[in-house]
Amino acid sequence: DGGITQSPKYLFRKEGQNVTLSCEQNLNHDAMYWYRQDPGQGLRLIYYSQIVNDFQKGDIAEGYSVSREKKESFPLTVTSAQKNPTAFYLCASSMGQVDTDTQYFGPGTRLTVL
Amino acid sequence: SQKIEQNSEALNIQEGKTATLTCNYTNYSPAYLQWYRQDPGRGPVFLLLIRENEKEKRKERLKVTFDTTLKQSLFHITASQPADSATYLCALDRNDYKLSFGAGTTVTVRA
Repeated sequence: DGGITQSPKYLFRKEGQNVTLSCEQNLNHDAMYWYRQDPGQGLRLIYYSQIVNDFQKGDIAEGYSVSREKKESFPLTVTSAQKNPTAFYLCASSMGQVDTDTQYFGPGTRLTVL
Repeated sequence: SQKIEQNSEALNIQEGKTATLTCNYTNYSPAYLQWYRQDPGRGPVFLLLIRENEKEKRKERLKVTFDTTLKQSLFHITASQPADSATYLCALDRNDYKLSFGAGTTVTVRA
């Protein structure tokens, strides 16, 4: 069963803590992405990776970090430096073709800061 | 600055009618535009892609148009059904593997 999995589905964090969100794909996609979704706003790009061991900052990278040690995995760490981390986080992957790239999304992780 | 605007109001329609959603953009030159469906608490699902040199694309009861002069895409759901109730997102190509998403339009189809 191919697809993208994210875990956990719900995550609660105390202020000052770092937390890591998991994202795994078995679609053999080269590119992976992390987005944040807030009510009434479009998805905002946090980080993306076009290939293993390489990643770039998106539009709102401050307070976040990522790694891409394996093709299948792209974990996101929300650090204590992120001022307003409560949001719905979505991971996506794509084949990485410039002219027709379609993104496949995971089910999301809802992070709440207590 | 770059901006993507979708219908600001939620759309409520009667079953069987056609829903028409708009996506307007400024300061983009997308090679293609995509539409996604998102159900509450879930990730978006890809529906349709239309390229800049295509005027119209169809998939079953869905139709998308793309007017690069008006900088607008229209998304139509014909013969709507309650199962079509969801939020629909338009996404623009940023010419570098990345997409920019609109905030979405929530459609509710009444039986």
